[in-house]
Amino acid sequence: GDSVTQTEGLVTLTEGLPVMLNCTYQTIYSNPFLFWYVQHLNESPRLLLKSFTDNKRTEHQGFHATLHKSSSSFHLQKSSAQLSDSALYYCAAATSSGQKLVFGQGTILKVYL
Amino acid sequence: GALVYQYPRRTICKSGTSMRMECQAVGFQATSVAWYRQSPQKTFELIALSTVNSAIKYEQNFTQEKFPISHPNLSFSSMTVLNAYLEDRGLYLCGARGRGDTEVFFGKGTRLTVV
Repeated sequence: GDSVTQTEGLVTLTEGLPVMLNCTYQTIYSNPFLFWYVQHLNESPRLLLKSFTDNKRTEHQGFHATLHKSSSSFHLQKSSAQLSDSALYYCAAATSSGQKLVFGQGTILKVYL
Repeated sequence: GALVYQYPRRTICKSGTSMRMECQAVGFQATSVAWYRQSPQKTFELIALSTVNSAIKYEQNFTQEKFPISHPNLSFSSMTVLNAYLEDRGLYLCGARGRGDTEVFFGKGTRLTVV
């Protein structure tokens, strides 16, 4: 079945350093949708980025990601981490119909002064 | 804007009893509603997907007999956890999507504790 892998369970960074959270996926569908959701403490997951276009960079709130179908990846990046970026980040994939989301294990990002 | 409300936010039930949770979509028509469970130390598992005018599809390891779902209209869905036991603990999330939308809007979840 479909699966999403986030290799890091916890990423700790000093404020101002670049962020990169890894995400790879596996699906039989040729046109998957990829998403990044962010979940702050005691909040619901909120959509951060989404893409279904190969090799096109998508950006929102300083974060960016590019879907690379050749490597089945959708890594999340930011040039400079902020304290407020500390949260739980989930990568998720859906079939071309978008009906069903499969989530990765999640990566906790902790940003320190 | 599109919002999803879930209630109750937290609930405690005795082992072997049942517990119903609700999900309400505001600002859009929820043509599909997915229920997920986030167990302690785990990611979100899809329990079932309910789409208007289609049968509710349950994932492997989840059954209608254990997690009956109702999706009577485009703004409301409910799910019951029947005969809850320790392994049913966790955060239950409702994710709703409108027709033609790719974005899924999540509620804040119902946290179930079983004692």
